[in-house]
Amino acid sequence: GENVEQHPSTLSVQEGDSAVIKCTYSDSASNYFPWYKQELGKRPQLIIDIRSNVGEKKDQRIAVTLNKTAKHFSLHITETQPEDSAVYFCAASELNYGGSQGNLIFGKGTKLSVKP
Amino acid sequence: NAGVMQNPRHLVRRRGQEARLRCSPVKGHSHVYWYRQLPEEGLKFMVYLQKENIIDESGMPKERFSAEFPKEGPSILRIQQVVRGDSAAYFCASSQLQGQNTEAFFGQGTRLTVV
Repeated sequence: GENVEQHPSTLSVQEGDSAVIKCTYSDSASNYFPWYKQELGKRPQLIIDIRSNVGEKKDQRIAVTLNKTAKHFSLHITETQPEDSAVYFCAASELNYGGSQGNLIFGKGTKLSVKP
Repeated sequence: NAGVMQNPRHLVRRRGQEARLRCSPVKGHSHVYWYRQLPEEGLKFMVYLQKENIIDESGMPKERFSAEFPKEGPSILRIQQVVRGDSAAYFCASSQLQGQNTEAFFGQGTRLTVV
């Protein structure tokens, strides 16, 4: 089955700096890679996702890159702000259009702290 | 348009009792996933259901745990004879797989405490 590794487990940056979180996956059949943000005591919320037919996707200060050959994908947050402080989870899944979706396998999370 | 609704938000059970966790997916969603989250840890997949069917239960403990998603009504995660190690936050997510729309939405979770 799929296995997702996420690093680092904690990350502390100064406000305005960039933050990068990296994940690797094991199952080459995985083709959907979402990133979730979870604030303390709250539900995980999708912030960005990428499919395997795309190498990079950007949404304002957030970008995700995917290297299918190396089975790596990364989250990049630029110009970090204190409100970016949260736990971030990567996940991998196999999507079959018209069929069933495999379950989301999550990494263990990265606790990001942005110091003002 | 209500999101994923889970209840109760907090549940306290004594060892040996049964815990029932409910999840109402986003209206129109027919795919439900249950995850468990221990403190300071990530989300661990338990089970994936479509209406009236269990698609993947590879993350579910073989004993004491069961899940259902009936034709009518919410999805239920049932834990029989709870033990202290069952204390965790249980999250439900739902999705509707149509074309490009594949996002999984999470509920607020049920925090189970076994005393």
